Amino acid sequence: EDKVVQSPLSLVVHEGDTVTLNCSYEVTNFRSLLWYKQEKKAPTFLFMLTSSGIEKKSGRLSSILDKKELFSILNITATQTGDSAIYLCAARGAETSGSRLTFGEGTQLTVNP
Amino acid sequence: NAGVMQNPRHLVRRRGQEARLRCSPMKGHSHVYWYRQLPEEGLKFMVYLQKENIIDESGMPKERFSAEFPKEGPSILRIQQVVRGDSAAYFCASSPVILATDTQYFGPGTRLTVL
Repeated sequence: EDKVVQSPLSLVVHEGDTVTLNCSYEVTNFRSLLWYKQEKKAPTFLFMLTSSGIEKKSGRLSSILDKKELFSILNITATQTGDSAIYLCAARGAETSGSRLTFGEGTQLTVNP
Repeated sequence: NAGVMQNPRHLVRRRGQEARLRCSPMKGHSHVYWYRQLPEEGLKFMVYLQKENIIDESGMPKERFSAEFPKEGPSILRIQQVVRGDSAAYFCASSPVILATDTQYFGPGTRLTVL
């Protein structure tokens, strides 16, 4: 059965800190890994990663995938209170195993002023 | 381009009643996915549909739950004879057909409360 594990489950930091969120996965015929940010509504898409070692960046957020070690990290630099949210990692296998995303439990990030 | 739309946003039902949740995918998207998020848990896949076809329903309980995505109109997730354990947030996501992209875009969810 496909499995995604995120750590830490909860993280409290001060504004300006840098955080690293971890995601490990075990997925049959791995195809891609996605990061989402969930506030009190819909998960919003952040990144999709398919290749090892290629960093994706969007402002203060960046992410990278290691397909050999089966993990990904999400970095947030110079955190702001608006970054407070649950960060979800999801992995997807090949079409033969369905098009579902298997999600981790999420990391609850709280950024205090 | 409007995002994925779900309604109602909040739904309260008594035990034994039926719940109908609707999802309109983003314009141009013909793949729809339903996920359930129980309190303090991550999102769990339920069902994947294309127009008029259920592609993968392996995550959906065999009893009381059904889903459809008709040729016209929204996708419907139907829960018959609801029980307290069905209380959760139900999210719909959609993806486009042309690029066969893996990215799924989520709607705001329907929060079902069973009294």
